[in-house]
Amino acid sequence: EDQVTQSPEALRLQEGESSSLNCSYTVSGLRGLFWYRQDPGKGPEFLFTLYSAGEEKEKERLKATLTKKESFLHITAPKPEDSATYLCAVHSNAGNMLTFGGGTRLMVKP
Amino acid sequence: DAGVIQSPRHEVTEMGQEVTLRCKPISGHDYLFWYRQTMMRGLELLIYFNNNVPIDDSGMPEDRFSAKMPNASFSTLKIQPSEPRDSAVYFCASSFRGAKGETQYFGPGTRLLVL
Repeated sequence: EDQVTQSPEALRLQEGESSSLNCSYTVSGLRGLFWYRQDPGKGPEFLFTLYSAGEEKEKERLKATLTKKESFLHITAPKPEDSATYLCAVHSNAGNMLTFGGGTRLMVKP
Repeated sequence: DAGVIQSPRHEVTEMGQEVTLRCKPISGHDYLFWYRQTMMRGLELLIYFNNNVPIDDSGMPEDRFSAKMPNASFSTLKIQPSEPRDSAVYFCASSFRGAKGETQYFGPGTRLLVL
C-alpha cells in the first residue's frame, strides 16, 4: 500500500526566512510525485511533478527535489502570500490514483 | 479553459435529505476523480472514472453514496440519505492520461454541511 507522510504538520516562518518541507513516501514503483498548494476555501492548485530521483523543478521562490524515498519543497525568502497548505501526492505504477499526504500548513509572517 | 467546474459551491441540508453534487471536467480530459476532504482524514479518493466508466469505487464510504458520469463533460455524486458525518468539502478533479504520471486538476470544491 502506498504511503505518504509530510512533515512538519505546521510551520511558522518570518518573511525572508528560508526553510524546507518534507514528503516521505513508500510506493510500489513511482510514476510521479506531485506538489500542490491549497489556499483556504479553494481546491488544490498544481505546482510541480517530479518523475525520477535527482530531478528538480523551480517556480519563483519554490524548488522541489526528489530522492528515492522523499521529496523536499524548498522555500527561499518566503513572503506572506506563500502562506498556504502544501500537499504532496504520489502516483504509483500500481494504478491510476494519487495518494496524498496530510499536508504542511505554512504561515509566513511579515 | 475554465478549469474544473463544480456546483453548488455550498450546500446546507438536513439529515435524511438527498444531496447531489455536480462536476464538469476540463475538456479533453479522460479521467475524473471525486475526493472528500476533512480535517481529520485529509484528502480521500472516493471514486474515479476513465472515459465515463467507473474504474475504482473502493473509497466510497457506503451504499448511501453513488456517482455517475453520463458523458465526458458531466458527473454527479449523490448522497441519499445524507448524515451529519458526511459534512466535508467534496472536490472533483480531472486529468489526461499521458506517457508519464498524470497531473490532476482540481475544482473549487463543494462545501457540504448536513445538519
